[in-house]
Amino acid sequence: GNSVTQMEGPVTLSEEAFLTINCTYTATGYPSLFWYVQYPGEGLQLLLKATKADDKGSNKGFEATYRKETTSFHLEKGSVQVSDSAVYFCALSPPMVGHAGGTSYGKLTFGQGTILTVHP
Amino acid sequence: DSGVTQTPKHLITATGQRVTLRCSPRSGDLSVYWYQQSLDQGLQFLIQYYNGEERAKGNILERFSAQQFPDLHSELNLSSLELGDSALYFCASSVDDGRSPPLHFGNGTRLTVT
Repeated sequence: GNSVTQMEGPVTLSEEAFLTINCTYTATGYPSLFWYVQYPGEGLQLLLKATKADDKGSNKGFEATYRKETTSFHLEKGSVQVSDSAVYFCALSPPMVGHAGGTSYGKLTFGQGTILTVHP
Repeated sequence: DSGVTQTPKHLITATGQRVTLRCSPRSGDLSVYWYQQSLDQGLQFLIQYYNGEERAKGNILERFSAQQFPDLHSELNLSSLELGDSALYFCASSVDDGRSPPLHFGNGTRLTVT
């Protein structure tokens, strides 16, 4: 079956440091890949996505590139801020093959989440 | 504010009981998704409804059921509760039938089974 493995946290950084959170996946075919973020006291929200190999998703200074050869989708940010402190989830959804019945981008498989704390 | 509303925020009940969790999607969204987050299993997709119809199914137990009403709110019913059902239950919504990923989740309902 499908699975997602994230680097174990928590990750603690100083403001303006470089961030990498590793994510690798196991799936058949060509899944779509996502990063979700959960800020303290809130629900998850979609941070970025990539739907095919070599696609780069980006948002709010975060980037991740869909690497089919290494089955990875690592999250990076060049300079983190205190406001980036949150839990980050890597996720995949099955390939949308003709959008057949039962397929959905909402059918997500999540990693275990990585807690990021950024200190001033 | 994600626009996805879940009630109640907390629920404490005993084994063998039945509970109902409620979700109101963002205005204009037609799909509702349910997820379970537990220490053992992590965050798992349970089920999706689109415009009142079941659209996709994940690892949802037979003791659990859901429905979406004409006003598009959804309810997740959990019955014959076991200790292992203690978890945070999230709802998410999206505008279409799953061609786009859910953008926003509600804050969740924390269920404790004693």
